[in-house]
Amino acid sequence: GENVEQHPSTLSVQEGDSAVIKCTYSDSASNYFPWYKQELGKRPQLIIDIRSNVGEKKDQRIAVTLNKTAKHFSLHITETQPEDSAVYFCAPATPNDYKLSFGAGTTVTVRA
Amino acid sequence: GAGVSQSPSNKVTEKGKDVELRCDPISGHTALYWYRQSLGQGLEFLIYFQGNSAPDKSGLPSDRFSAERTGGSVSTLTIQRTQQEDSAVYLCASSLRTGGSNEQYFGPGTRLTVT
Repeated sequence: GENVEQHPSTLSVQEGDSAVIKCTYSDSASNYFPWYKQELGKRPQLIIDIRSNVGEKKDQRIAVTLNKTAKHFSLHITETQPEDSAVYFCAPATPNDYKLSFGAGTTVTVRA
Repeated sequence: GAGVSQSPSNKVTEKGKDVELRCDPISGHTALYWYRQSLGQGLEFLIYFQGNSAPDKSGLPSDRFSAERTGGSVSTLTIQRTQQEDSAVYLCASSLRTGGSNEQYFGPGTRLTVT
């Protein structure tokens, strides 16, 4: 199965600053790279995803970049706001995967 | 439309009792997944269903855990003879099709506390 690592495990940023979370995976056949956000006490929700034929994708203040050669992808949050405080999970998948292999999560805290 | 729902939202049970957790997926979603999330931890995959069949049960922690899905819709996760280490939030998710590249929609979870 896929080995997934996320770094850092916790991240504290000043409101307005940027946050970057990196996800490293092991299976070179991986072709789908989503990020899920889980606010405290809430369910995980997909916030952005990218497929292997694309190197970068942006959606307002969030973006995901992919480096297939190095087998990692990153979540970028710019102009962070208090509502960005949450746990973020990456979950890379291969075409044959029937399930998601979640990283351990990164707890992001945005300081006002 | 309605999202994934789970019941009960909270369950407190005594050690040794059996519990049943229910998941109602989004209508038309063929794939259904169960995960367990211990306090402050990531998501641990338990089992998935394609239709009513569960091709991979290897994620179930022990033979005290079982799950079924009927009519390609509702799923029940049963834990027999509960232990304190079973305390966690049990999350259900569904997706339109099987496969990791399909967005999974999560339910609100059932918080299980075994005393």
